[in-house]
Amino acid sequence: SQKIEQNSEALNIQEGKTATLTCNYTNYSPAYLQWYRQDPGRGPVFLLLIRENEKEKRKERLKVTFDTTLKQSLFHITASQPADSATYLCALQNSGNTPLVFGKGTRLSVIA
Amino acid sequence: GAVVSQHPSRVICKSGTSVKIECRSLDFQATTMFWYRQFPKKSLMLMATSNEGSKATYEQGVEKDKFLINHASLTLSTLTVTSAHPEDSSFYICSARDDMGPISYEQYFGPGTRLTVT
Repeated sequence: SQKIEQNSEALNIQEGKTATLTCNYTNYSPAYLQWYRQDPGRGPVFLLLIRENEKEKRKERLKVTFDTTLKQSLFHITASQPADSATYLCALQNSGNTPLVFGKGTRLSVIA
Repeated sequence: GAVVSQHPSRVICKSGTSVKIECRSLDFQATTMFWYRQFPKKSLMLMATSNEGSKATYEQGVEKDKFLINHASLTLSTLTVTSAHPEDSSFYICSARDDMGPISYEQYFGPGTRLTVT
């Protein structure tokens, strides 16, 4: 069966450190993999998208990698800040016209 | 940037009544909108794909007669929860795809609607 797994439900790190979140999937062949941030009681906010033929994407303090052999994406936040505390969702898309399928998310807490 | 709004943000209704939730794309046209449902500490589950001018496509296990979707214009989709029961209490989120935008696969999410059925 198809699965999207995000490594842990919750992750606590100290301010200034790099947070690394993992997304693994099985029985998917996604054309796109996306990362979203969700704050409590709010809808998801788009952060980054990476295509199947891309290895890495960066945006400011964010970095995403995509390994289609391992079927895994890593999401990094460098120099983390308490304001980065939120739930981060990984989502797959088989093609541009298909809906997103989400993982359960990892709740990140950055401690000052 | 592309903005999607939802109304209401919160609603409390009595069991047996119907509730309508609106999803609007404010500054772009959306032929396709999506409705998701999210339980506490759970992932977003796709309920249906809403297509302007045609019937919605429902995911397996979602009752189309219970969750009525109408996508009457390029900027508005509505979800009506009919004869609501306490188990329908959830966080409902819509998203819209910008058909004319440079990146056709980007989806923009609304802020969500918290439904509580008493």
